[in-house]
Amino acid sequence: GAVVSQHPSWVICKSGTSVKIECRSLDFQATTMFWYRQFPKQSLMLMATSNEGSKATYEQGVEKDKFLINHASLTLSTLTVTSAHPEDSSFYICSASGQAQREHYEQYFGPGTRLTVT
Amino acid sequence: AQKITQTQPGMFVQEKEAVTLDCTYDTSDQSYGLFWYKQPSSGEMIFLIYQGSYDEQNATEGRYSLNFQKARKSANLVISASQLGDSAMYFCAMREADGYNKLIFGAGTRLAVHP
Repeated sequence: GAVVSQHPSWVICKSGTSVKIECRSLDFQATTMFWYRQFPKQSLMLMATSNEGSKATYEQGVEKDKFLINHASLTLSTLTVTSAHPEDSSFYICSASGQAQREHYEQYFGPGTRLTVT
Repeated sequence: AQKITQTQPGMFVQEKEAVTLDCTYDTSDQSYGLFWYKQPSSGEMIFLIYQGSYDEQNATEGRYSLNFQKARKSANLVISASQLGDSAMYFCAMREADGYNKLIFGAGTRLAVHP
């Protein structure tokens, strides 16, 4: 099946610094990638949708200047949390889908990145 | 607006028994897709089963089956012969018909399987 990786799997950073999270589709071309945030004991909340080569579409309430998304190639999308604060501590999950996936355009999820801001 | 509702925050079941996890949805679209995902404590999202709005048969994948009742707008997940490894969070999700195939997730149900 399709495999999506994320790096790093966990990261601790100091308040005010920026952190970059990578999402890669390993064996298929991801025309669309999605970034989710999940707080403890809560559901996944979509942050943004990105298509290769174009600007990301952010969900209402998500600050595009704080969460920079770059979908530079068909296999890589990055999420940069700029000037991170403790309230940004969360589990960030990416998913990817491509035209070659099954008929219902299933999303394949990465394993997630746990961010802790101290 | 589209919405997914999971009313059971937690469920428990005895090993080898069957369990049903509830999911209702709200949409005005005629074409939509419904998914169930499992999230163990490791955090990864594991795809379990999919049901398309035009599918006439209920979807089945091994021990998982989806009880799709379109008129009631419900898409309950049935797990048969529960195993200890089934203990996890379970999320129901609906694909938006927006061209991007975005998923909207329910709040989730935590399932505990007891020996």
